[in-house]
Amino acid sequence: NAGVTQTPKFQVLKTGQSMTLQCAQDMNHNSMYWYRQDPGMGLRLIYYSASEGTTDKGEVPNGYNVSRLNKREFSLRLESAAPSQTSVYFCASGTELDTEQFFGPGTRLTVL
Amino acid sequence: AQSVTQLDSQVPVFEEAPVELRCNYSSSVSVYLFWYVQYPNQGLQLLLKYLSGSTLVKGINGFEAEFNKSQTSFHLRKPSVHISDTAEYFCAVSGWGGYQKVTFGIGTKLQVIP
Repeated sequence: NAGVTQTPKFQVLKTGQSMTLQCAQDMNHNSMYWYRQDPGMGLRLIYYSASEGTTDKGEVPNGYNVSRLNKREFSLRLESAAPSQTSVYFCASGTELDTEQFFGPGTRLTVL
Repeated sequence: AQSVTQLDSQVPVFEEAPVELRCNYSSSVSVYLFWYVQYPNQGLQLLLKYLSGSTLVKGINGFEAEFNKSQTSFHLRKPSVHISDTAEYFCAVSGWGGYQKVTFGIGTKLQVIP
């Protein structure tokens, strides 16, 4: 099992460009999440999907959109990147039973 | 609403010394509690979790944590640290029952000094 995979690992964008971060899991989990990690701020939830076909906003959704393509895949889109979106982005999946989460390796995004 | 406070942003400790990383939480409902570890340039991985039952929880790599309901704490301990324990540690909390969002603390960086 690969667990949770994310692509790309690194990305540099110019202000105003768009991009999609991809995430896939092979653990048959219903729940999937997108977080951003910034120094001194821990992990902040951007969007989550409790099950296939549903998505909900988290703590910091502005400037982002998501798509739960199927049970395995959950993508995060930046329509018009801003320097404030420079961060490390983590995708995670989890079980509803006890909310343990399994994390991908992260995407380091720099917006110039 | 729920929240997590990690009281120390950085903890330096000498190799083979004991360590305690502190975590306090607040919640209006019964909780599940977690500690995750993040090694440099990696994602988070679960260290241990408290769901119910015994308040002393043992995890991987010799770590353990104790759930104290009266003090709303879930401190992480290890009796003797190794260089390889150098990492960032995150405490997290979620409510019981069905789907619940997880709230993470801001993390504690453990630096093991040789």
